[in-house]
Amino acid sequence: DQQVKQNSPSLSVQEGRISILNCDYTNSMFDYFLWYKKYPAEGPTFLISISSIKDKNEDGRFTVFLNKSAKHLSLHIVPSQPGDSAVYFCAARANDYKLSFGAGTTVTVRA
Amino acid sequence: DAGVTQSPTHLIKTRGQHVTLRCSPISGHKSVSWYQQVLGQGPQFIFQYYEKEERGRGNFPDRFSARQFPNYSSELNVNALLLGDSALYLCASSEGTGAYEQYFGPGTRLTVT
Repeated sequence: DQQVKQNSPSLSVQEGRISILNCDYTNSMFDYFLWYKKYPAEGPTFLISISSIKDKNEDGRFTVFLNKSAKHLSLHIVPSQPGDSAVYFCAARANDYKLSFGAGTTVTVRA
Repeated sequence: DAGVTQSPTHLIKTRGQHVTLRCSPISGHKSVSWYQQVLGQGPQFIFQYYEKEERGRGNFPDRFSARQFPNYSSELNVNALLLGDSALYLCASSEGTGAYEQYFGPGTRLTVT
């Protein structure tokens, strides 16, 4: 049962432009959402998170937006840089102990 | 400060064998979680341990077991390996069960032949 879905397996963007990654969820008990970035041969690295009581959280070039009514969140990266090329995972947490992950979106930043 | 460390990095086993994977959390973190990542999918939750007690278990068979030691390090054991157990096994640590951010290690790549 896939409770967190990332429907775009890949995204290609030109350096300096905006990258927008999308994530949908089905479990209304999720109260905290996270984005992780993963390079090959490394574990996922925590990027940014947002609580369900907020609709936006910003950290430098990264902004996460949450639309609870639509059960949708997105990650904006502005401006995109070559080092941003990686797999990005959306994850969600209910009031328990585990993270539920989407399948990931591979971002390629073109020079 | 050192991050989460895992050993070994890679492992090749034969069907039916047993495997033990190891994880050391970030200093000061008392909670360790294990995840399985199959190629093309996101990580799937296996276990969480906090203060040496199992706090949660995902939808995995009893062939999977884990434990946490007094120094908060952890082992994941898998018995009677199947080809489908081939995956990247990730360990994540957090300050406690109530902590929202989990920090991942580099993983152990297990190949079952």
